[in-house]
Amino acid sequence: DVKVTQSSRYLVKRTGEKVFLECVQDMDHENMFWYRQDPGLGLRLIYFSYDVKMKEKGDIPEGYSVSREKKERFSLILESASTNQTSMYLCASRSSQGSGANVLTFGAGSRLTVL
Amino acid sequence: KNQVEQSPQSLIILEGKNCTLQCNYTVSPFSNLRWYKQDTGRGPVSLTIMTFSENTKSNGRYTATLDADTKQSSLHITASQLSDSASYICVVINNNAGNMLTFGGGTRLMVKP
Repeated sequence: DVKVTQSSRYLVKRTGEKVFLECVQDMDHENMFWYRQDPGLGLRLIYFSYDVKMKEKGDIPEGYSVSREKKERFSLILESASTNQTSMYLCASRSSQGSGANVLTFGAGSRLTVL
Repeated sequence: KNQVEQSPQSLIILEGKNCTLQCNYTVSPFSNLRWYKQDTGRGPVSLTIMTFSENTKSNGRYTATLDADTKQSSLHITASQLSDSASYICVVINNNAGNMLTFGGGTRLMVKP
């Protein structure tokens, strides 16, 4: 059973703290994504990566950075967490080839609260 | 600008009743459309995918339709169950090199006993 695993389901952090959200996929997918999901706003793309060490800004990259040192792992970093970054964070991956390019597999989500 | 609009925003129905969720899009060029179900506190899970040539596709009690001319899709749920309570998200994929995805805001469905 293929999986996208997010390391933390729930986190509570203080303003100004550095936060790491880890995501690992076991499907050998080239493409990985980080979204945040907020009520009334749907899913918004923060960053994505087409390959190892490659990253592209999504629609709302401000306040975030990412790291993709290995194909299976895509990390989202909040250098200095702020209260407006309280949200549900969803990691996803997909193949870049054939019909797999149409299938986005999501992790279970990481709910971050910044106090 | 590529957009996906879903309606209604939320819906409450009684167990056993049917319901229909709507998705209108302006994404171009169109590749395919996918419906996801997201249980509370979980990540979205794919229900069905609709390509340009498909009008109707069923997955158990879920039936999706697509009208590529009017750029509308619907998800019909038959004989609803309590476990159908979730958010339903419509996602449209571009038919370009990036295969970019555009998400709708979702419809939150609550099925009551």
